[in-house]
Amino acid sequence: AQKVTQAQTEISVVEKEDVTLDCVYETRDTTYYLFWYKQPPSGELVFLIRRNSFDEQNEISGRYSWNFQKSTSSFNFTITASQVVDSAVYFCALSPLRGANSKLTFGKGITLSVRP
Amino acid sequence: NAGVTQTPKFQVLKTGQSMTLQCAQDMNHEYMSWYRQDPGMGLRLIHYSVGAGITDQGEVPNGYNVSRSTTEDFPLRLLSAAPSQTSVYFCASSYSKATVLFYEQYFGPGTRLTVT
Repeated sequence: AQKVTQAQTEISVVEKEDVTLDCVYETRDTTYYLFWYKQPPSGELVFLIRRNSFDEQNEISGRYSWNFQKSTSSFNFTITASQVVDSAVYFCALSPLRGANSKLTFGKGITLSVRP
Repeated sequence: NAGVTQTPKFQVLKTGQSMTLQCAQDMNHEYMSWYRQDPGMGLRLIHYSVGAGITDQGEVPNGYNVSRSTTEDFPLRLLSAAPSQTSVYFCASSYSKATVLFYEQYFGPGTRLTVT
């Protein structure tokens, strides 16, 4: 069975602060994908990143960075110099890499509020 | 290229009524799925399909039916609506290849359903 835990439910920061959103996962699969999605107040789900389990390199995209550590089963997301537009609910998700029963398991989400 | 479309955007039902939530995609994706989003619960998989004629249950399938007669469409049927089915419903689709099941899922804009 797969499980994704986002222990932080709500985070509030002041603009320009750095913030890290934690994600811990459980899976019996040896190969899998990890994802982050953003859900702004408008409600749509926006794909941010996909990482496969055999690529542990950290990734940076502008102000966003992701730290994947297989040893601790974590895939944390850091926003540097946060902005008000970063206010959203952020979901971490997990899926097997292959197989007929592949499906995406989401965490419960973290609500990030960035205050001006 | 419209991506994933869902209709209706909003719906109010009375307990016991039935209805179908429509989902269509024009990206020729084999994999389609339905999720429900409830406060504090993240997104939970209802049903999914790996191709036309093939469907399977997800985490919370009770009270819902699906069918997949074409690659493009994946309707979700509520047979006898209950207040517990009040939720936001998202349809998603993704590409798949022989060696991996799918890449990132593309989500529709959601349907907000209220059952009174």
